[in-house]
Amino acid sequence: ILNVEQSPQSLHVQEGDSTNFTCSFPSSNFYALHWYRWETAKSPEALFVMTLNGDEKKKGRISATLNTKEGYSYLYIKGSQPEDSATYLCARLSGTYKYIFGTGTRLKVLA
Amino acid sequence: KAGVTQTPRYLIKTRGQQVTLSCSPISGHRSVSWYQQTPGQGLQFLFEYFSETQRNKGNFPGRFSGRQFSNSRSEMNVSTLELGDSALYLCASSLEGSSGYTFGSGTRLTVV
Repeated sequence: ILNVEQSPQSLHVQEGDSTNFTCSFPSSNFYALHWYRWETAKSPEALFVMTLNGDEKKKGRISATLNTKEGYSYLYIKGSQPEDSATYLCARLSGTYKYIFGTGTRLKVLA
Repeated sequence: KAGVTQTPRYLIKTRGQQVTLSCSPISGHRSVSWYQQTPGQGLQFLFEYFSETQRNKGNFPGRFSGRQFSNSRSEMNVSTLELGDSALYLCASSLEGSSGYTFGSGTRLTVV
């Protein structure tokens, strides 16, 4: 994998459903992976900064895991709510101070 | 504390003109990065500044330039605007470049 890839591109879930999406990235020369939430008409907001293989982070109903050896991170949302509707971006720190962003997963939670 | 402030929020320019965008980072943040977002594209890295020095640069033509001042405020300049430069330009600041970003609200540039 040469770039940061996110899947799926978009998904719709019902309120209360749990969901997860994937960020895949080159595993060599890994420094850090960040997750952001970007709501429409707002700025991207940092969710997690992940640096170590096996890292698990949690913030309320949202959690993330990191596997640097195989080059992927999962973001999980438990019991999705309409306010979780947003685009979720991951970004890999590539080299020095340069982040490569994925194109995002657009989540729509239906009430 | 105040967030990252970008000005102006919206801008309409004519092809061939030049434009300057401004970004004031969070107080104490010394790293400022700039990104371009166009429809269907992810955030594309333009450049990163730290203590008035450009530390990294993305794959954009020389028409795109930037600078950082001693108070960490940064400006981005695009000369000889093209229609394809129409995009949302986001500025992000961080303590030292690898600790996670705080983003501004962006400047929406439209080139006609």
